[in-house]
Amino acid sequence: AQSVAQPEDQVNVAEGNPLTVKCTYSVSGNPYLFWYVQYPNRGLQFLLKYITGDNLVKGSYGFEAEFNKSQTSFHLKKPSALVSDSALYFCAVGKLIFGTGTRLQVFP
Amino acid sequence: DSGVTQTPKHLITATGQRVTLRCSPRSGDLSVYWYQQSLDQGLQFLIQYYNGEERAKGNILERFSAQQFPDLHSELNLSSLELGDSALYFCASSIAGETYEQYFGPGTRLTVT
Repeated sequence: AQSVAQPEDQVNVAEGNPLTVKCTYSVSGNPYLFWYVQYPNRGLQFLLKYITGDNLVKGSYGFEAEFNKSQTSFHLKKPSALVSDSALYFCAVGKLIFGTGTRLQVFP
Repeated sequence: DSGVTQTPKHLITATGQRVTLRCSPRSGDLSVYWYQQSLDQGLQFLIQYYNGEERAKGNILERFSAQQFPDLHSELNLSSLELGDSALYFCASSIAGETYEQYFGPGTRLTVT
């Protein structure tokens, strides 16, 4: 059975600092991993995905994620956070399994 | 703009009533997904259709049903509504296949009073 976990309900970071939002997964077979962002009162927006190939995936708005097979992780990262990055972030494995979401709060 | 449209944006109704939520997928997408998002339960997958056929079923109550029409738009029917059904309902669409991302509509906010 496939599953995904986001261990942090909320991540707080100061503007300009690097940010990491954690995601771990459990799948049998090849993992297809996705990150989505949800701004208030909006639907989810696709950020990036890992299907195969390079373990470092670059996506929208300066975000990137690192696929680590040995640690079964797919953490979302950004070198320098912006206040406008404050939103709810969802990790997903495959099409149907979403994590519980992590609220990112970036303080000025 | 994701290209996925949902109507209505807001819906307020009473317990016991029935409502229909509508979704039009992105042009060319054959798969449609329905999700429920409650404050305390995150994003719950309800059901998926692919080219008119039910493809996968999640935690969808028996009081809820959905269908996808020949023009690929989809409707989610919620009946015998309860207070706990109050939530945001999202539709998403994608190209077929596990490696393709989903595109989400703006959602319908349902309030059951």
